[in-house]
Amino acid sequence: SQTIHQWPATLVQPVGSPLSLECTVEGTSNPNLYWYRQAAGRGLQLLFYSVGIGQISSEVPQNLSASRPQDRQFILSSKKLLLSDSGFYLCAWRGLGQGRNYGYTFGSGTRLTVV
Amino acid sequence: RKEVEQDPGPFNVPEGATVAFNCTYSNSASQSFFWYRQDCRKEPKLLMSVYSSGNEDGRFTAQLNRASQYISLLIRDSKLSDSATYLCVVNKGGSYIPTFGRGTSLIVHP
Repeated sequence: SQTIHQWPATLVQPVGSPLSLECTVEGTSNPNLYWYRQAAGRGLQLLFYSVGIGQISSEVPQNLSASRPQDRQFILSSKKLLLSDSGFYLCAWRGLGQGRNYGYTFGSGTRLTVV
Repeated sequence: RKEVEQDPGPFNVPEGATVAFNCTYSNSASQSFFWYRQDCRKEPKLLMSVYSSGNEDGRFTAQLNRASQYISLLIRDSKLSDSATYLCVVNKGGSYIPTFGRGTSLIVHP
């Protein structure tokens, strides 16, 4: 069966520090991968998505970047965190070849607080 | 106009009530629609896909109205455990890039 792992679950980082969040998917090949952020009391904002290794599309320009070094690994990074980067970061995947009515599965998320 | 719009609520209903949520979308080329449920401080989880002809899963019924560009979710016989935020999700055009609404909060009280 397919599973998605995200870590860490919570993170407190000072302003200006770097960030690296990792997401891995098991039990599937060549999934579509997504990074979302949910600020407190707000909706989910798509940050990046990837349809394959090394293929990253950015939806919102900001001080974050994403990489996909392996088929089932998706990494969200920042060189210098801002206070506004605080939020709930969620990774999601969707299987290749699934019909259009198949949804997206989320990891359990990382709650980031920048202080 | 926002890509996906929902009434944020909250909808405050007694147990056993029937409640309905609507969600409008702006891209007429969208092909895939979903309802997700999100509990407080948790990840969203797929509740149901929305098929063109409408579909039902137990107490939940989803409908799609392409002409008016909205989808709906009907919950019958509400339970306390139905209290959550319900997110409408629409794929951009014919892509697999999901756009989430901001969610509708449901509170079911005894």
